[in-house]
Amino acid sequence: GEDVEQSLFLSVREGDSSVINCTYTDSSSTYLYWYKQEPGAGLQLLTYIFSNMDMKQDQRLTVLLNKKDKHLSLRIADTQTGDSAIYFCAESTMNNAGNMLTFGGGTRLMVKP
Amino acid sequence: GAVVSQHPSWVICKSGTSVKIECRSLDFQATTMFWYRQFPKQSLMLMATSNEGSKATYEQGVEKDKFLINHASLTLSTLTVTSAHPEDSSFYICSVPVTGLAQGYTFGSGTRLTVV
Repeated sequence: GEDVEQSLFLSVREGDSSVINCTYTDSSSTYLYWYKQEPGAGLQLLTYIFSNMDMKQDQRLTVLLNKKDKHLSLRIADTQTGDSAIYFCAESTMNNAGNMLTFGGGTRLMVKP
Repeated sequence: GAVVSQHPSWVICKSGTSVKIECRSLDFQATTMFWYRQFPKQSLMLMATSNEGSKATYEQGVEKDKFLINHASLTLSTLTVTSAHPEDSSFYICSVPVTGLAQGYTFGSGTRLTVV
């Protein structure tokens, strides 16, 4: 079955870079996603990457994909206190109903001033 | 952009009562909607896939009679937690696939259910 894993916690100082890592198992995933969840809120799509890409950059966000190792990472440059949240990686997979998302357990990012 | 509205944001109910949660796509049609459940400090677990005009598809281990899903229109899906118990207390989130967004999904803001 599908399994997406992330480290639980990351603490950085404001202004530093944050790197959140994720591993997945479904090699047929077409897209991989990073979502941000603030306390008591839904999920906000941060960025996504197509499976035939190695890297995608969007302002302060850089996504790296190593398809051979099934490893995905999200780098946040110049991390701010407002970036403190839980970050979920997700892969698109198939179930009986069609496409669905399988989420990692989430990485809690704490940014210290 | 694609917006999904979920109501209520939070609800407290007594054990044994039923609670209905609504998920609406505001500016687009959705033949499919997903319902997730999230326990504190845990990830999202897919409960069921809601299909407009037909029965929902439930994930293994999810009780169909307890979590009733109705998707009667192209913009509205409802999840009813029937005969709620304290162990049903959780954060429920709906999600809608959005075409043209790299097969992406947009999420509702979630509903925190507390059963006392």
